Amino acid sequence: NAGVMQNPRHLVRRRGQEARLRCSPMKGHSHVYWYRQLPEEGLKFMVYLQKENIIDESGMPKERFSAEFPKEGPSILRIQQVVRGDSAAYFCASSPGQTSNEKLFFGSGTQLSVL
Amino acid sequence: QKEVEQNSGPLSVPEGAIASLNCTYSDRGSQSFFWYRQYSGKSPELIMSIYSNGDKEDGRFTAQLNKASQYVSLLIRDSQPSDSATYLCAVKRTRGGYQKVTFGTGTKLQVIP
Repeated sequence: NAGVMQNPRHLVRRRGQEARLRCSPMKGHSHVYWYRQLPEEGLKFMVYLQKENIIDESGMPKERFSAEFPKEGPSILRIQQVVRGDSAAYFCASSPGQTSNEKLFFGSGTQLSVL
Repeated sequence: QKEVEQNSGPLSVPEGAIASLNCTYSDRGSQSFFWYRQYSGKSPELIMSIYSNGDKEDGRFTAQLNKASQYVSLLIRDSQPSDSATYLCAVKRTRGGYQKVTFGTGTKLQVIP
């Protein structure tokens, strides 16, 4: 009964490096959402993807951030040239589809620390 | 106006009391409402969902929805120290032809033994 799998759990990068965060949705789920959470703050929506399509990236910074969800393999959130302000917990959630009653299930998150 | 608003707290209640957590939302077209619990350093965990006006009970938890007032609440009866966590309200609505889920900033609950 695999849930939403995120890796790595912890990622340390130096300023200017690239960070790649991976998310494998629950079996049968084709919708993936990425959220960012700073300490003591709520979940901030970043991007919503379906297989091979970005549906809504309104919450994602235009520069340095990108996301993909290929036909095969996990969804990837990529942050280029990281800065200290990128340090946060990044959560991925998945749902089976788009009907209004379907719930989001979260992965354990990736804690990104930028030195 | 924020799309989903919650009082950040902390809300402190004694063990055994009823904890009442509130959430308001701005979009009248919102269709589905969820409560997630998040322990410090952990991921959000779904505890309740509600889709129509009225009350929905599950064990010690009761979700209440009033669409006319754009208000959803979560009651926790017989609060336990293990209930101490941040409770996130989430609202699902149609935006641009697809469903969008927005979270409030969460209310921190402290249950005092």
